[in-house]
Amino acid sequence: EDKVVQSPLSLVVHEGDTVTLNCSYEVTNFRSLLWYKQEKKAPTFLFMLTSSGIEKKSGRLSSILDKKELFSILNITATQTGDSAIYLCAVVFSGSARQLTFGSGTQLTVLP
Amino acid sequence: NAGVTQTPKFQVLKTGQSMTLQCAQDMNHNSMYWYRQDPGMGLRLIYYSASEGTTDKGEVPNGYNVSRLNKREFSLRLESAAPSQTSVYFCASSERRDTQKQFFGPGTRLTVL
Repeated sequence: EDKVVQSPLSLVVHEGDTVTLNCSYEVTNFRSLLWYKQEKKAPTFLFMLTSSGIEKKSGRLSSILDKKELFSILNITATQTGDSAIYLCAVVFSGSARQLTFGSGTQLTVLP
Repeated sequence: NAGVTQTPKFQVLKTGQSMTLQCAQDMNHNSMYWYRQDPGMGLRLIYYSASEGTTDKGEVPNGYNVSRLNKREFSLRLESAAPSQTSVYFCASSERRDTQKQFFGPGTRLTVL
């Protein structure tokens, strides 16, 4: 059975800290891995990773995929209170390009 | 562009009642999806529609029906609501060429008593 596991489940840090969120997966016929940020409402797209070892970067956020070890990390540097959210990882397997299998998410709280 | 819109935002039902959740997108996307999100379980796919006129079951389709009314609209119907269907429901859409990158609506919080 395809499975996506995120850790930690929750994390509390102070502004300025750097955080690393983890996503591991057991998926047959892996196609891609996506990161979403969910604040109060809709998840919003952050990154999509398909190739191992290539870092995707957007401002203070970056992510990398390791297809050999079956995991991805999302780094946030110099955290701000606005980074407080649930971060969701989802994996797409080749069997169905339309189906995202989500992890349960990491709740990040950034304190001032 | 409004993106993906959903109505209603909140709904309370009694067990056995029926209702339809509405979703519309104005991005000219071909594919649309319905998910539910429960605490500690991430999002789970209920149904999806690859294109107008087609629908397919996802991971948790039991107790639900869908209609792809046209390219813009995709509705989710609960025929006889059960407390286990208490959840937050999200609609999403994506382009045909890039079905993995999905755009989500604001969600409907449904409580079944």
